[in-house]
Amino acid sequence: AQSVTQLGSHVSVSEGALVLLRCNYSSSVPPYLFWYVQYPNQGLQLLLKYTTGATLVKGINGFEAEFKKSETSFHLTKPSAHMSDAAEYFCAFRGSSASKIIFGSGTRLSIRP
Amino acid sequence: DTGVSQNPRHKITKRGQNVTFRCDPISEHNRLYWYRQTLGQGPEFLTYFQNEAQLEKSRLLSDRFSAERPKGSFSTLEIQRTEQGDSAMYLCASSPVGQEKRTYEQYFGPGTRLTVT
Repeated sequence: AQSVTQLGSHVSVSEGALVLLRCNYSSSVPPYLFWYVQYPNQGLQLLLKYTTGATLVKGINGFEAEFKKSETSFHLTKPSAHMSDAAEYFCAFRGSSASKIIFGSGTRLSIRP
Repeated sequence: DTGVSQNPRHKITKRGQNVTFRCDPISEHNRLYWYRQTLGQGPEFLTYFQNEAQLEKSRLLSDRFSAERPKGSFSTLEIQRTEQGDSAMYLCASSPVGQEKRTYEQYFGPGTRLTVT
């Protein structure tokens, strides 16, 4: 069965510190992987995606993620956290031949001043 | 490109009532998806359409739920005889299908938050 696991339901970092949100997936087919961000009472906004090709993917707002097939991981990072990064982050998976997206349970990112 | 819109944004209803939500996708997108998100969880897939055809339904979509996309443009999601367990955010998304292979991304609307009392 295909699944996405996000390690840590809540991560808190200081402003200016490194942000690392962890995501592992389980799939028997080549994955398409995504990170979405959700602000309170809003829909989901795509941060970045991996489909094929380069395994280091850069997204909006200074975020990036690296696809590591051997580790079945797609961790999200940002070198320096900003207060505006406080939100819920979802890692998501889609099989290459599928349509629906499977989401992780989310990680709430808090930024300390 | 005005994005995916959903109406209403909030709905409070009493248990046993019927409710209907509407989703207007991005105009050139012919795929439309419905997801449900409960508090503290990620969105869960409910169903999707390509044009007017409903191609996949999740087992989460009980017989009290019905979705339509009659003209291949906007879609409606109806819940009959609502239960307290139906309280959730209902998200709609759309995506294009075409030669450009821009089918990877789904663009989400702001959601409709349903509260069943």
